[in-house]
Amino acid sequence: GAGVSQSPSNKVTEKGKDVELRCDPISGHTALYWYRQRLGQGLEFLIYFQGNSAPDKSGLPSDRFSAERTGESVSTLTIQRTQQEDSAVYLCASSQRAGALRQPQHFGDGTRLSIL
Amino acid sequence: AQKITQTQPGMFVQEKEAVTLDCTYDTSDQSYGLFWYKQPSSGEMIFLIYQGSYDEQNATEGRYSLNFQKARKSANLVISASQLGDSAMYFCAMRENTGNQFYFGTGTSLTVIP
Repeated sequence: GAGVSQSPSNKVTEKGKDVELRCDPISGHTALYWYRQRLGQGLEFLIYFQGNSAPDKSGLPSDRFSAERTGESVSTLTIQRTQQEDSAVYLCASSQRAGALRQPQHFGDGTRLSIL
Repeated sequence: AQKITQTQPGMFVQEKEAVTLDCTYDTSDQSYGLFWYKQPSSGEMIFLIYQGSYDEQNATEGRYSLNFQKARKSANLVISASQLGDSAMYFCAMRENTGNQFYFGTGTSLTVIP
């Protein structure tokens, strides 16, 4: 597609439920990032994928968070046993080549997650 | 230590005036890239401008320019001739040559006053 696509755009769920967020990067972009943005805050790095290399999971806040990516395609971010503090916008970004400094990230519109 | 510091939580500017949004960074890498993004109230993140650490000239993109002062580790964004549509959050970010992450600041909320 023309841009990074995220789904769903909004998700409301009850505390304790599992949620799965999807990101479809720009075709040909080998690097994919997930961020969390709480209301009025900056971007909090969660996880990074680069091609078939092992992902950088250093930003995941707890073992309730996990993410998968198959090759250079779609990624899913899963949050298990959701808590109210998980409420945030989850942003996905992709970039063309992680090794090229000047390659910017291209962001999706985000998934707004609300935990009741 | 914070990698990216944006000290102005909120800024106001009169329409058609210029405004400078501050950004300082912290890195021990010699090679790094600096980025500015705009986030309107609709939520999307829009890439504005890039400056490489070895670039000798300050970057410019239309009404956006980057005042890069390497010795001071600052990369301020200058918006000239402000427009109402410039009202948004602005984030400064850095990517180091070593490592995979983009580091973002906490953002500056810009309001353009008619």
